Amino acid sequence: QKEVEQDPGPLSVPEGAIVSLNCTYSNSAFQYFMWYRQYSRKGPELLMYTYSSGNKEDGRFTAQVDKSSKYISLFIRDSQPSDSATYLCAGSMDSSYKLIFGSGTRLLVRP
Amino acid sequence: SAVISQKPSRDICQRGTSLTIQCQVDSQVTMMFWYRQQPGQSLTLIATANQGSEATYESGFVIDKFPISRPNLTFSTLTVSNMSPEDSSIYLCSVEEGAGIVDDTQYFGPGTRLTVL
Repeated sequence: QKEVEQDPGPLSVPEGAIVSLNCTYSNSAFQYFMWYRQYSRKGPELLMYTYSSGNKEDGRFTAQVDKSSKYISLFIRDSQPSDSATYLCAGSMDSSYKLIFGSGTRLLVRP
Repeated sequence: SAVISQKPSRDICQRGTSLTIQCQVDSQVTMMFWYRQQPGQSLTLIATANQGSEATYESGFVIDKFPISRPNLTFSTLTVSNMSPEDSSIYLCSVEEGAGIVDDTQYFGPGTRLTVL
């Protein structure tokens, strides 16, 4: 079993839709959770990070962590074609800098 | 955030040869990391490169195959040695930035796309 699981997609939505991207993880020691966006042939770009459980909002993006169910979510409101990319979730432990990534979900926002 | 560049951006190499990938950061950083992203796979940490000390390798990765240098706080190299087609992958460096433990986050370079024939 992978430590971080993500549905690979692709997830195709119309422009303006609310997108929900999800990950599950198995390591209960994870304290930090990140979402990265990766455009084709580019490096991952940090979108959001959260510490422990709870919600964090930044513009159209909301990251949600539920440690009791080991579930991580990223919501994108008013999705745009420019949001079309692969979204990677990652977790890490308190005293470790090692990020454990999911394999990514490919999102396509149709104009 | 730091601006990270990598050279080369891509390369096609022959089996049995070696390739050295460079990672340059526009500011001094303590921790640099090297990741591999194989097609359809998640990013996997190869090693952590700290200035002034030996790199720390993750399980499944060895120094003879992936020697790393970290001569100063803005630069690191990863060499992929004695390459085989299984080494075809995207290699990414990342740096950690932040003022404290809660703020520490990793930022990635654009990656080096390696194809081994």
